[in-house]
Amino acid sequence: NAGVTQTPKFQVLKTGQSMTLQCAQDMNHEYMSWYRQDPGMGLRLIHYSVGAGITDQGEVPNGYNVSRSTTEDFPLRLLSAAPSQTSVYFCASSYSGTQPQHFGDGTRLSIL
Amino acid sequence: AQRVTQPEKLLSVFKGAPVELKCNYSYSGSPELFWYVQYSRQRLQLLLRHISRESIKGFTADLNKGETSFHLKKPFAQEEDSAMYYCALQTNAGKSTFGDGTTLTVKP
Repeated sequence: NAGVTQTPKFQVLKTGQSMTLQCAQDMNHEYMSWYRQDPGMGLRLIHYSVGAGITDQGEVPNGYNVSRSTTEDFPLRLLSAAPSQTSVYFCASSYSGTQPQHFGDGTRLSIL
Repeated sequence: AQRVTQPEKLLSVFKGAPVELKCNYSYSGSPELFWYVQYSRQRLQLLLRHISRESIKGFTADLNKGETSFHLKKPFAQEEDSAMYYCALQTNAGKSTFGDGTTLTVKP
């Protein structure tokens, strides 16, 4: 099993561009989440989903959109990239909210 | 609101010394607490969860509801324990909160 797969691994964008970070899991997990990791600030929850068709905002949702049309996929969209969104982004999935999360390798995103 | 605090950003100990990484939480319900670890160039992975009450790689963590703490302990640190450690509070509603993380360095 691949587990949680994130693409791309690295990306450089210009301010104002849009892009989608992809996340897929093959463990049939209902719960999926997106985090950003910034130095000294730990992991902050952007958006999460408790099943296909259901999404909700986390701690830092502004500037990001998500959708969950299938159980497997949970893409994160940056609508108009800003330098403040330079970060490492992690996707995670779990069987339920109280079960351990499985993480992807992360996407390192730089906004110029 | 749920909150997780890891007061030490950096922790350095010598090999063979005891180590304790602190974690305090606030949550009005019954918490599900975890420790995750990120070794260099690896993805975040589960180290411990409070409900299992087991020892992994020599680490243990006890949930103290009175002090709202979930400290991670190991009696004899090893160099391979050097990593970033995150304490996390998860809820069945799907919303997770992580602490800021503690970077542990074990010196030879």
